Amino acid sequence: DAKTTQPNSMESNEEEPVHLPCNHSTISGTDYIHWYRQLPSQGPEYVIHGLTSNVNNRMASLAIAEDRKSSTLILHRATLRDAAVYYCILRDLAGTYKYIFGTGTRLKVLA
Amino acid sequence: DVKVTQSSRYLVKRTGEKVFLECVQDMDHENMFWYRQDPGLGLRLIYFSYDVKMKEKGDIPEGYSVSREKKERFSLILESASTNQTSMYLCASSSPRDTNTEAFFGQGTRLTVV
Repeated sequence: DAKTTQPNSMESNEEEPVHLPCNHSTISGTDYIHWYRQLPSQGPEYVIHGLTSNVNNRMASLAIAEDRKSSTLILHRATLRDAAVYYCILRDLAGTYKYIFGTGTRLKVLA
Repeated sequence: DVKVTQSSRYLVKRTGEKVFLECVQDMDHENMFWYRQDPGLGLRLIYFSYDVKMKEKGDIPEGYSVSREKKERFSLILESASTNQTSMYLCASSSPRDTNTEAFFGQGTRLTVV
């Protein structure tokens, strides 16, 4: 299973954009890039996913490098409710469809 | 509202007890997963199931077993609980073979083995 690497923690000011990086240098052609976040005392929740092209939804944007070896989750205006652990994971749809989580990035949002 | 429900939020069990953690989903999903989450280690996959009565080991299956007799229910079993199994346990479900699929997680069960 391909692995992802993320910084342990990041800080952001409220109302400012946040760019959360993820490296996945061993990604295969059939791996989708998924992002989840885990709010305090809750299970992880889906944020966004993509394969090759950049993606936008109501929660965030996902920017994928041209060589697909890295990606960035973009929160356009961080709020206090965005304080969470963000996980970047690769999902192999050619295999067993497992979700392999790393240790994630703990995002702290400062008021 | 889609839902994955874990039977307990908190459990305290004694060393050597047989422990059952139950998970039910109402989305008719084929795939179900059990993870444990420990500080500094993230989520680690224990077992997963891609169909009724089918199961596969994840990264840390030792000391655990699972049961999937019905599509909506996936049980994690600790045959003889030990203190190193004190952890947060998370259940998830998803659809297979769908590019837009996402995993849905339960709220978690915090198990303490004393």
